[in-house]
Amino acid sequence: QVHLVQSGAEVKKPGASVKVSCKASGYTFTGYYIHWVRQAPGQGLDWMGWINPNSGDTNYAQRFQGRVTMTRDTSISTAYMEFYLRSDDTALYYCAKSAGHDYKTQYAFDMWGQGTVVSVSS
Amino acid sequence: DIQMTQSPSSLSASVGDRVTITCRPSQNIGSYVNWYQQKPGKAPKLLLYVASSLQSGVPSRFSGSGYGTDFTLTISFLQPEDFATYFCQQSYSTPLTFGQGTRVEVK
Repeated sequence: QVHLVQSGAEVKKPGASVKVSCKASGYTFTGYYIHWVRQAPGQGLDWMGWINPNSGDTNYAQRFQGRVTMTRDTSISTAYMEFYLRSDDTALYYCAKSAGHDYKTQYAFDMWGQGTVVSVSS
Repeated sequence: DIQMTQSPSSLSASVGDRVTITCRPSQNIGSYVNWYQQKPGKAPKLLLYVASSLQSGVPSRFSGSGYGTDFTLTISFLQPEDFATYFCQQSYSTPLTFGQGTRVEVK
């Protein structure tokens, strides 16, 4: 059974960084992109970028470029997202797995982590 | 960036109703739209990909259609477990973007 399990809630000050982990199980970790999507309280979904766990290649949304870094450790099937925080970055941060490899499914998300609450306050 | 405009933002319906949600991208994206359902306190769940392909395990009362700049999610016979928020998402180009969501509430 496919699972993505994320690390626990974090409280940070503006200017600090947070590193969220996403541990995969039940499938070949290196076979599917991992995406990061955030959701501010009561708001919609905001895509941050993806990492290819096989190659380590990344693609970040331009508006987060310079503040976000996605990495992975294939030995423990875990992806990470490190983010330098501003005061308006309070949100629930999700990792999500690509549904497949081809053009139809590469950018659809068929499994999501439970989400990690990141609260930013001075 | 491709903007995804969803309508309505909310609707009230009864069990057994047919419900239709629309998503309009700001440019032609072929069939590259996915639909998700999100319940309170839960992660989104993939319902349909590339406009009309039903994700494994999703009931057949969910269907999708459309191409280019006009897409529709239809729930043919609303069930109690379908009261939730629905999001469209374009998978045509990065940055991937979502509609603002449609909340389906009990009438």
